[in-house]
Amino acid sequence: AQKVTQAQTEISVVEKEDVTLDCVYETRDTTYYLFWYKQPPSGELVFLIRRNSFDEQNEISGRYSWNFQKSTSSFNFTITASQVVDSAVYFCALSEAPRGTYKYIFGTGTRLKVLA
Amino acid sequence: GAGVSQSPSNKVTEKGKDVELRCDPISGHTALYWYRQSLGQGLEFLIYFQGNSAPDKSGLPSDRFSAERTGGSVSTLTIQRTQQEDSAVYLCASSLAGLAQETQYFGPGTRLLVL
Repeated sequence: AQKVTQAQTEISVVEKEDVTLDCVYETRDTTYYLFWYKQPPSGELVFLIRRNSFDEQNEISGRYSWNFQKSTSSFNFTITASQVVDSAVYFCALSEAPRGTYKYIFGTGTRLKVLA
Repeated sequence: GAGVSQSPSNKVTEKGKDVELRCDPISGHTALYWYRQSLGQGLEFLIYFQGNSAPDKSGLPSDRFSAERTGGSVSTLTIQRTQQEDSAVYLCASSLAGLAQETQYFGPGTRLLVL
Protein backbone atom coordinates (compact mmCIF):
# COMPACT_ATOMS: atom_id res chain seq x y z
CA ALA A 1 0.00 0.00 0.00
CA GLN A 2 1.14 3.53 -0.67
CA LYS A 3 1.84 5.59 2.39
CA VAL A 4 3.85 8.60 3.47
CA THR A 5 4.80 9.05 7.09
CA GLN A 6 6.01 12.26 8.63
CA ALA A 7 6.48 11.24 12.22
CA GLN A 8 7.41 14.70 13.47
CA THR A 9 4.22 16.60 14.09
CA GLU A 10 5.87 19.80 15.23
CA ILE A 11 9.45 20.98 15.58
CA SER A 12 10.67 24.18 17.22
CA VAL A 13 14.16 25.52 16.66
CA VAL A 14 15.95 28.74 17.35
CA GLU A 15 16.97 30.84 14.40
CA LYS A 16 20.23 29.77 12.75
CA GLU A 17 19.90 26.21 13.93
CA ASP A 18 19.86 23.40 11.37
CA VAL A 19 16.76 21.24 11.25
CA THR A 20 15.88 18.02 9.47
CA LEU A 21 12.34 17.01 8.57
CA ASP A 22 11.84 13.30 8.13
CA CYS A 23 9.78 11.58 5.45
CA VAL A 24 9.37 7.83 5.09
CA TYR A 25 7.35 6.32 2.27
CA GLU A 26 5.92 2.98 1.21
CA THR A 27 5.24 1.94 -2.34
CA ARG A 28 5.06 -1.20 -4.47
CA ASP A 29 6.22 0.55 -7.59
CA THR A 30 9.79 0.79 -8.78
CA THR A 31 9.04 4.06 -10.54
CA TYR A 32 7.74 6.80 -8.34
CA TYR A 33 8.23 10.44 -7.52
CA LEU A 34 8.68 12.26 -4.26
CA PHE A 35 7.87 15.87 -3.55
CA TRP A 36 8.21 18.41 -0.78
CA TYR A 37 5.84 21.33 -0.40
CA LYS A 38 5.84 24.24 2.01
CA GLN A 39 2.60 25.64 3.38
CA PRO A 40 3.22 29.03 5.02
CA PRO A 41 0.60 30.64 7.26
CA SER A 42 -1.04 32.14 4.18
CA GLY A 43 -2.13 28.60 3.31
CA GLU A 44 -0.96 28.20 -0.27
CA LEU A 45 1.18 25.16 -0.95
CA VAL A 46 4.53 26.06 -2.47
CA PHE A 47 6.45 23.47 -4.46
CA LEU A 48 10.02 22.91 -3.24
CA ILE A 49 11.44 19.85 -4.94
CA ARG A 50 10.67 16.75 -7.01
CA ARG A 51 12.78 13.62 -7.04
CA ASN A 52 12.33 10.46 -9.12
CA SER A 53 13.06 7.00 -7.82
CA PHE A 54 15.99 6.45 -10.14
CA ASP A 55 17.92 9.47 -9.00
CA GLU A 56 19.41 9.07 -5.54
CA GLN A 57 21.70 12.03 -5.77
CA ASN A 58 21.26 14.42 -2.94
CA GLU A 59 20.27 17.91 -3.88
CA ILE A 60 21.14 21.27 -2.42
CA SER A 61 19.38 24.52 -3.13
CA GLY A 62 20.68 27.38 -1.05
CA ARG A 63 19.92 26.59 2.59
CA TYR A 64 17.76 23.62 1.60
CA SER A 65 19.03 20.11 1.01
CA TRP A 66 17.37 16.77 0.46
CA ASN A 67 18.64 13.31 1.25
CA PHE A 68 16.97 10.50 -0.71
CA GLN A 69 17.78 6.95 0.40
CA LYS A 70 15.93 4.10 -1.28
CA SER A 71 17.44 1.58 1.12
CA THR A 72 15.51 3.15 4.00
CA SER A 73 12.62 4.53 1.89
CA SER A 74 13.33 8.00 3.18
CA PHE A 75 13.41 11.44 1.64
CA ASN A 76 14.52 13.82 4.34
CA PHE A 77 14.68 17.58 4.11
CA THR A 78 17.25 19.71 5.90
CA ILE A 79 17.17 23.45 6.38
CA THR A 80 20.54 24.91 7.26
CA ALA A 81 20.78 28.08 9.34
CA SER A 82 17.01 28.29 9.73
CA GLN A 83 15.24 31.62 9.55
CA VAL A 84 11.92 32.83 10.93
CA VAL A 85 10.54 32.90 7.38
CA ASP A 86 11.02 29.14 7.25
CA SER A 87 8.20 28.76 9.75
CA ALA A 88 5.52 26.76 7.96
CA VAL A 89 4.01 23.33 7.61
CA TYR A 90 6.05 21.09 5.33
CA PHE A 91 4.48 18.22 3.44
CA CYS A 92 6.13 15.26 1.79
CA ALA A 93 4.20 13.57 -1.02
CA LEU A 94 4.47 10.46 -3.19
CA SER A 95 3.25 9.96 -6.74
CA GLU A 96 3.35 6.57 -8.37
CA ALA A 97 3.68 5.56 -12.00
CA PRO A 98 2.64 4.20 -14.34
CA ARG A 99 -0.92 3.33 -13.44
CA GLY A 100 -4.11 5.24 -12.94
CA THR A 101 -4.55 8.56 -11.35
CA TYR A 102 -1.34 10.34 -10.56
CA LYS A 103 -2.65 11.75 -7.37
CA TYR A 104 -0.29 12.64 -4.61
CA ILE A 105 -0.23 10.67 -1.40
CA PHE A 106 0.61 13.20 1.29
CA GLY A 107 2.08 12.82 4.71
CA THR A 108 0.36 14.58 7.59
CA GLY A 109 2.92 17.36 7.55
CA THR A 110 5.49 18.72 9.99
CA ARG A 111 4.92 22.14 11.51
CA LEU A 112 8.23 23.96 11.82
CA LYS A 113 8.49 26.92 14.16
CA VAL A 114 11.63 28.97 13.95
CA LEU A 115 12.01 31.27 16.92
CA ALA A 116 13.91 34.53 16.73
CA GLY B 1 1.31 33.87 -15.60
CA ALA B 2 -1.67 33.41 -13.35
CA GLY B 3 -1.68 30.53 -10.94
CA VAL B 4 -4.54 28.36 -9.80
CA SER B 5 -7.38 30.43 -8.41
CA GLN B 6 -10.18 29.33 -6.13
CA SER B 7 -13.35 30.96 -4.91
CA PRO B 8 -14.66 31.75 -2.46
CA SER B 9 -11.71 32.09 -0.10
CA ASN B 10 -13.91 31.39 2.86
CA LYS B 11 -17.38 29.94 3.15
CA VAL B 12 -19.53 29.63 6.23
CA THR B 13 -22.70 27.63 5.87
CA GLU B 14 -25.30 25.98 7.98
CA LYS B 15 -25.56 22.25 8.32
CA GLY B 16 -27.79 20.80 5.63
CA LYS B 17 -27.16 23.50 3.04
CA ASP B 18 -25.45 22.88 -0.30
CA VAL B 19 -22.20 24.62 -1.23
CA GLU B 20 -20.27 25.08 -4.46
CA LEU B 21 -16.55 25.63 -4.58
CA ARG B 22 -14.86 26.83 -7.73
CA CYS B 23 -11.42 26.20 -9.17
CA ASP B 24 -9.80 27.88 -12.15
CA PRO B 25 -6.63 25.96 -13.14
CA ILE B 26 -3.53 27.30 -14.81
CA SER B 27 -4.20 27.98 -18.45
CA GLY B 28 -3.14 25.03 -20.60
CA HIS B 29 -3.14 22.52 -17.77
CA THR B 30 -5.24 19.52 -18.67
CA ALA B 31 -5.18 17.79 -15.29
CA LEU B 32 -7.09 19.08 -12.29
CA TYR B 33 -7.21 17.67 -8.77
CA TRP B 34 -9.28 18.37 -5.68
CA TYR B 35 -7.88 17.65 -2.22
CA ARG B 36 -9.25 18.20 1.25
CA GLN B 37 -7.18 19.29 4.24
CA SER B 38 -8.88 18.77 7.56
CA LEU B 39 -7.55 20.36 10.73
CA GLY B 40 -4.30 18.70 11.73
CA GLN B 41 -4.47 16.27 8.84
CA GLY B 42 -2.57 15.84 5.64
CA LEU B 43 -4.11 16.39 2.28
CA GLU B 44 -6.67 13.84 1.20
CA PHE B 45 -7.29 13.23 -2.49
CA LEU B 46 -10.89 13.69 -3.62
CA ILE B 47 -11.20 13.67 -7.41
CA TYR B 48 -9.13 13.98 -10.57
CA PHE B 49 -9.96 15.23 -14.04
CA GLN B 50 -7.75 14.65 -17.07
CA GLY B 51 -8.78 16.07 -20.40
CA ASN B 52 -11.94 14.46 -21.68
CA SER B 53 -11.47 11.22 -19.76
CA ALA B 54 -13.92 10.07 -17.14
CA PRO B 55 -12.92 11.56 -13.79
CA ASP B 56 -11.40 9.47 -11.03
CA LYS B 57 -13.86 9.89 -8.19
CA SER B 58 -12.30 7.29 -5.94
CA GLY B 59 -11.47 9.76 -3.19
CA LEU B 60 -14.91 11.29 -2.74
CA PRO B 61 -15.97 10.48 0.84
CA SER B 62 -19.69 10.15 0.17
CA ASP B 63 -22.33 10.61 -2.52
CA ARG B 64 -23.00 14.08 -1.14
CA PHE B 65 -19.81 15.13 -2.91
CA SER B 66 -19.69 15.68 -6.64
CA ALA B 67 -17.58 17.64 -9.06
CA GLU B 68 -17.64 18.65 -12.65
CA ARG B 69 -15.28 20.29 -15.04
CA THR B 70 -16.79 22.27 -17.85
CA GLY B 71 -14.97 22.82 -21.11
CA GLY B 72 -11.83 21.23 -19.75
CA SER B 73 -11.09 24.24 -17.63
CA VAL B 74 -13.02 25.50 -14.61
CA SER B 75 -14.14 22.94 -12.06
CA THR B 76 -16.85 23.08 -9.43
CA LEU B 77 -16.92 20.89 -6.34
CA THR B 78 -20.40 20.59 -4.86
CA ILE B 79 -21.19 19.37 -1.39
CA GLN B 80 -24.85 18.65 -0.77
CA ARG B 81 -26.50 18.62 2.64
CA THR B 82 -23.30 19.72 4.34
CA GLN B 83 -22.30 18.19 7.65
CA GLN B 84 -20.01 19.59 10.32
CA GLU B 85 -17.36 17.02 9.45
CA ASP B 86 -17.15 18.59 5.98
CA SER B 87 -15.44 21.61 7.57
CA ALA B 88 -11.98 21.74 6.04
CA VAL B 89 -9.84 23.56 3.53
CA TYR B 90 -10.54 22.41 0.00
CA LEU B 91 -7.54 22.70 -2.26
CA CYS B 92 -7.45 22.54 -6.01
CA ALA B 93 -4.34 21.74 -8.02
CA SER B 94 -3.52 21.50 -11.69
CA SER B 95 -0.72 20.01 -13.72
CA LEU B 96 0.19 20.09 -17.37
CA ALA B 97 -0.81 16.60 -18.44
CA GLY B 98 -1.53 14.63 -15.29
CA LEU B 99 1.65 12.56 -15.34
CA ALA B 100 3.14 11.14 -12.17
CA GLN B 101 6.36 13.11 -12.49
CA GLU B 102 4.68 16.43 -12.93
CA THR B 103 4.52 19.09 -10.32
CA GLN B 104 1.03 19.93 -9.19
CA TYR B 105 0.41 23.61 -8.61
CA PHE B 106 -2.00 24.42 -5.84
CA GLY B 107 -4.49 27.19 -5.39
CA PRO B 108 -4.95 29.10 -2.12
CA GLY B 109 -7.86 26.91 -1.07
CA THR B 110 -11.40 27.48 0.12
CA ARG B 111 -11.86 27.32 3.87
CA LEU B 112 -15.28 25.80 4.54
CA LEU B 113 -16.93 26.02 7.93
CA VAL B 114 -20.18 24.19 8.52
CA LEU B 115 -22.05 25.37 11.58
